[in-house]
Amino acid sequence: DQQVKQNSPSLSVQEGRISILNCDYTNSMFDYFLWYKKYPAEGPTFLISISSIKDKNEDGRFTVFLNKSAKHLSLHIVPSQPGDSAVYFCAASDNQGGKLIFGQGTELSVKP
Amino acid sequence: DVKVTQSSRYLVKRTGEKVFLECVQDMDHENMFWYRQDPGLGLRLIYFSYDVKMKEKGDIPEGYSVSREKKERFSLILESASTNQTSMYLCASSLRAYEQYFGPGTRLTVT
Repeated sequence: DQQVKQNSPSLSVQEGRISILNCDYTNSMFDYFLWYKKYPAEGPTFLISISSIKDKNEDGRFTVFLNKSAKHLSLHIVPSQPGDSAVYFCAASDNQGGKLIFGQGTELSVKP
Repeated sequence: DVKVTQSSRYLVKRTGEKVFLECVQDMDHENMFWYRQDPGLGLRLIYFSYDVKMKEKGDIPEGYSVSREKKERFSLILESASTNQTSMYLCASSLRAYEQYFGPGTRLTVT
């Protein structure tokens, strides 16, 4: 039972355009959401997060939107750069001891 | 900067061997985690630990065990390696309930 789903395995975007990565969840008890970025042969690195009491959090080129009623969050990258090419994982927590539930990941490719 | 290190980047083992994967963090974090990453399945939690000598099963603990004798070190043990345990293994640590810091990963191949 996949509680966090990223339904798009891959996404290709032109440099300078917007990248939108989507994530859906099923557990209404999740109260915190995170996005991680992973390059090949490296561990994931934390990118941005959002609490369930907010609907938007912005950090430079990265913005995360949360729609609690739809149980949906999205990561916007504007403008996209070739260095953004990586696998992006969304993750969720219900504050039960620090566990995170990860989605399957979306591989973003930004073309020059 | 938080640093999480893993003992090997690449490892090749034979079926039936006992395999030890070591993870060390240098930020005095209470929580440590072991995941495996497989294509199309994302990161799946194998075991985690909130404190020394404490361990909790994650979503896929079968075929694995762990050891946490010191706060900074969390070991994953494959008692008898099988080919379906070929995967990327990732260790993480965290201080707070949410943000986890990951090591570089160990690519394990079982032949």
